Amino acid sequence: RKEVEQDPGPFNVPEGATVAFNCTYSNSASQSFFWYRQDCRKEPKLLMSVYSSGNEDGRFTAQLNRASQYISLLIRDSKLSDSATYLCVVNTAGGATNKLIFGTGTLLAVQP
Amino acid sequence: DTAVSQTPKYLVTQMGNDKSIKCEQNLGHDTMYWYKQDSKKFLKIMFSYNNKELIINETVPNRFSPKSPDKAHLNLHINSLELGDSAVYFCASSRDGISYEQYFGPGTRLTVT
Repeated sequence: RKEVEQDPGPFNVPEGATVAFNCTYSNSASQSFFWYRQDCRKEPKLLMSVYSSGNEDGRFTAQLNRASQYISLLIRDSKLSDSATYLCVVNTAGGATNKLIFGTGTLLAVQP
Repeated sequence: DTAVSQTPKYLVTQMGNDKSIKCEQNLGHDTMYWYKQDSKKFLKIMFSYNNKELIINETVPNRFSPKSPDKAHLNLHINSLELGDSAVYFCASSRDGISYEQYFGPGTRLTVT
């Protein structure tokens, strides 16, 4: 089983649509969770951290379900500029080091 | 005012050559990283340095040697380049630990022919 799994998509949605991405992780001891955004041929950038209580930033809502080891990202009122790859990111815990594990990403294409 | 910069942006070279990629961050962060993103877009950590000390060394061939002359710089030297080394290499930095946002450089697209 991959450490972080995402549906690769692509998700093709019209402008204004609501779209949801899901992600599962295998390490139950993981403690930090993030969604990153990566535009084509660009570097990844942090979109938002994911907290146990769920958090919202404008049109974006992230949720964490520790029992199911599941993270989600909801985008409301999609814009053309939301077209990008969304990376689910989880830290690994335990041992002498921590490191971030990136999912392979979910491609979103918002159509006019 | 680039936060994390890498040079070169593109690198095309032949098999067997040795090449270096440089990374600098002006954010005052303590931790720096090298990632490799392959053709399938999978982003995987290679190395991590904290205050010039190596703290993560994934199962990367020893042809890859990172060097951190100071905490603002982390360079990556690759010996005897192979076709499979073709990828985009990203440098990143974070304030410290793992709960903090990682800031990525623009990437170096390496093509080995």
